[in-house]
Amino acid sequence: IVMTQAPLSLSVTPGQPASISCKSSQSLLHSNGKTSLYWYLQRPGQSPQLVIYEVSSRFSGVSDRFSGNGSGTDFTLKISRVAAEDVGVYYCMSQFTFGPGTRVDV
Amino acid sequence: EVQLMESGGGLVQPGGSLRLSCVASGFTFNTYSMNWVRQSPEKGLEWLSYISDNSDSIYYADSVKGRFIISRDNAKNSLFLQMNSLRADDTAVYYCAVRYSLDFWGQGTLVTVSS
Repeated sequence: IVMTQAPLSLSVTPGQPASISCKSSQSLLHSNGKTSLYWYLQRPGQSPQLVIYEVSSRFSGVSDRFSGNGSGTDFTLKISRVAAEDVGVYYCMSQFTFGPGTRVDV
Repeated sequence: EVQLMESGGGLVQPGGSLRLSCVASGFTFNTYSMNWVRQSPEKGLEWLSYISDNSDSIYYADSVKGRFIISRDNAKNSLFLQMNSLRADDTAVYYCAVRYSLDFWGQGTLVTVSS
């Protein structure tokens, strides 16, 4: 499976929305009806941290400014109002394959 | 609070071996599967290996199959990665991470393979 992301870099004004696309080379819909698509944020100098799991569920402690959606092969991470602490690289992942990452600057 | 602390990284010559450790706290270690993931500038984030809670299921990425061995000691809340036949392209920061969904990650340990 190959995961791609777009854009690879994004500069956003604080308070404005941001959107990152993730596409997979094959459908991520499992026979059990679940779609294993995850989003991680790696802040500068830190380890990656889980933001969104199973396409659209926010992980514990994650701001409700973050949302995820999509199905099949096309997925999107949205930040409703970008804040300074959202800076970093965002990765999508499925079936243990990561996308190349999208760098978000404010 | 979930904490994962990797150790064992360092400088090793090509063809050499290293054993990484990850000590976990803040959760019931023996009920969660674990993973090793590495990150390098050249390859980005790369999943390496998965081990189920009771070690019954183990999987490896093709890039490390036959060279790396994952194991765990639930009595010591510890995860291990035995790395053999190391190559220059194994140079990376190595992370342990919890569950299939990689819910929590350690701070990483740097492995440098160079002569």
